[in-house]
Amino acid sequence: ETGVTQTPRHLVMGMTNKKSLKCEQHLGHNAMYWYKQSAKKPLELMFVYSLEERVENNSVPSRFSPECPNSSHLFLHLHTLQPEDSALYLCASSQRGPKGSGANVLTFGAGSRLTVL
Amino acid sequence: AQKVTQAQTEISVVEKEDVTLDCVYETRDTTYYLFWYKQPPSGELVFLIRRNSFDEQNEISGRYSWNFQKSTSSFNFTITASQVVDSAVYFCALKGTGKLIFGTGTRLQVFP
Repeated sequence: ETGVTQTPRHLVMGMTNKKSLKCEQHLGHNAMYWYKQSAKKPLELMFVYSLEERVENNSVPSRFSPECPNSSHLFLHLHTLQPEDSALYLCASSQRGPKGSGANVLTFGAGSRLTVL
Repeated sequence: AQKVTQAQTEISVVEKEDVTLDCVYETRDTTYYLFWYKQPPSGELVFLIRRNSFDEQNEISGRYSWNFQKSTSSFNFTITASQVVDSAVYFCALKGTGKLIFGTGTRLQVFP
């Protein structure tokens, strides 16, 4: 496998369910990201992990819980979601250099389309 | 505050037409980076180009070209002789000292 792989590609869940989204990168990158893509809105950065440490959490509700067990894997655990959480969830990875070394290029997965009923 | 505006929500062209996607940005940073990504129907965003704020040279890559003008805070993207495979949503993005900011995207439909 190459690039960034996301599973499942589609997920339908009820508001009381607990599910997880999985992301795996095969690029040897040291940073991983979760983005939320809703219709007519810019991509929203949710979480950033660099060297398995969470370095950014952009005011995301606690019903979204990320986990990064190693530099190749990233999970997004979902529980008691709301219908407005229905969206495409995109994972990305990059090779982060030292601060100030320039903006790194993100490699994205194909996304997990989540529908909350 | 940083902002990226892609005023064109959707553009439709017929194959072989040239098309320009507009991107206007706002930032107070003197050093920043601008990006274009393509999102085909398969879902993943694909990186197309990155430019830094000190490099205003226009760039051409095959049928793709980019026009960076700091004077108008614009970073426009032109596809020459469009093809059906160019149909996708195109995102412009800005990275200054803060996080990467995306525009809302322009959906390009190229009809045969």
